[in-house]
This record gives sequence, structure tokens and C-alpha cells, in this order.
Amino acid sequence: QSVLTQPPSVSGAPGQRVTISCTGSSSNIGAGYDVHWYQQLPGTAPNLLIYGNFNRPSGVPDRFSGSQSGTSASLAITGLQAEDEADYYCQSYDSSLSNVVFGGGTKVTVL
Amino acid sequence: QVQLQESGPGLVKPSQTLSLTCTVSGGSISSGSYYWSWIRQSAGKGLEWIGRIYTSGSTRHNPSLKSRVTISVDTSKNQFSLKLSSVTAADTAVYYCARSIVAAGTPPFDYWGQGTLVTVSS
Repeated sequence: QSVLTQPPSVSGAPGQRVTISCTGSSSNIGAGYDVHWYQQLPGTAPNLLIYGNFNRPSGVPDRFSGSQSGTSASLAITGLQAEDEADYYCQSYDSSLSNVVFGGGTKVTVL
Repeated sequence: QVQLQESGPGLVKPSQTLSLTCTVSGGSISSGSYYWSWIRQSAGKGLEWIGRIYTSGSTRHNPSLKSRVTISVDTSKNQFSLKLSSVTAADTAVYYCARSIVAAGTPPFDYWGQGTLVTVSS
């Protein structure tokens, strides 16, 4: 059971908007620790998608956006494309555990 | 372009020590600007941070693994290594090495190796 809770799966048709939630607590997201998001395509390593809650690394399409409020964060994908089918993970830090923590991951399916 | 590559045995017997090395290319591990981490991914537990090392040799570890983990750095070879002792089947996972910028708070992992599968079995 992960410290950061993500829905196991979300799906959407091409062109639609999907959101993935990452729910934490007062000792991680709620304490102000940054949330980062990773995309993991099948058979590959995770790739940084969003850092510092809402920043995109160079080369990441602006279809991907991040937000944070209270003890939760969200990743939104607008204009969903077939190539977005992947697993997505959030990551932060937990002060009570003194540990880097990840969400359990969300599988995005493009219908 | 920085690249990281894990290497080591793919099969380890229970109770033995898992040993992996990460070779960094395209940049110096001694630059002083980065932390170098080990992360693993198993079907049962998802992504799990194991620990990190700085070029000076200072380390931080996941408290749940701390007593079994040793992370070291060899700046002359531009490599850092992981040793995990007393392994069990629960340590079977894909092991990644990754880089993060030295910064306050919790910096992201911006470069990852391709990962190497380690199976613990007799």
C-alpha cells in the first residue's frame, strides 16, 4: 500500500482530457514537498514528465500539466493520444517516514 | 547527454548479497551537482527508492532497507554501486540507477538507467 494514492487505471478516447490524482497527507504533499510525475512506457524506465508540481522538462508536450492543492496533486493530459498509453507515477517526500515516496501508479488506456 | 547503465548478476541466491554497478557516461559523477540513487520496481510494491550517494561519499537510505544497503562511489571509474545483503524473494525486482540535482526539498529523478532485472532464487 503506497503512501501516495493513485487510481489504478483511467481511460479516455483520443482527443479527450483525463486526470490522474495523487492523494497524500500532511506529512508529504500537505507539508509542501514537491510532487513530480513520471511516465513509464511498456518495457522502459520511468521518464520525468512534470517536476515541482507543475513544471515541464524540455521536450514534454504542453498537453501534460500538473497541479497541487492541499494534500493532493493531479496530472492532466489533454488531447489524449495513442502514444500516451502508459503507466504514470507521482513522487514526493514524506517527513514522518524520512523517505522518498512514490504513488502506486496509474495505467492510462486510450480507447 | 547523460546516460546511466546498470550492470550485475541477474540471478542471486537467497541469503546472499546482491551487487550492482551503475556506469555514468556523458558527464562526471564528481561534478558535485548531483545525487546518484538506486530505485527498484517490483510487481508487488511498485517503485521503491533504495538510497542515494553524493560524490563526497555521503549517503541516505530508505529506512526500511537501511540495515541491508551499502551504496558506494568510484569517481575514478565514474561509477556508483549498490550492495543489498541477505536477500529474499521479496527483493526480486528491476533495479534502476538514477540522477537527481542537488537541491533543497525532494528533487526529481531526471535521468534513469534502462534497468536490470534481478531475480532471487535458489
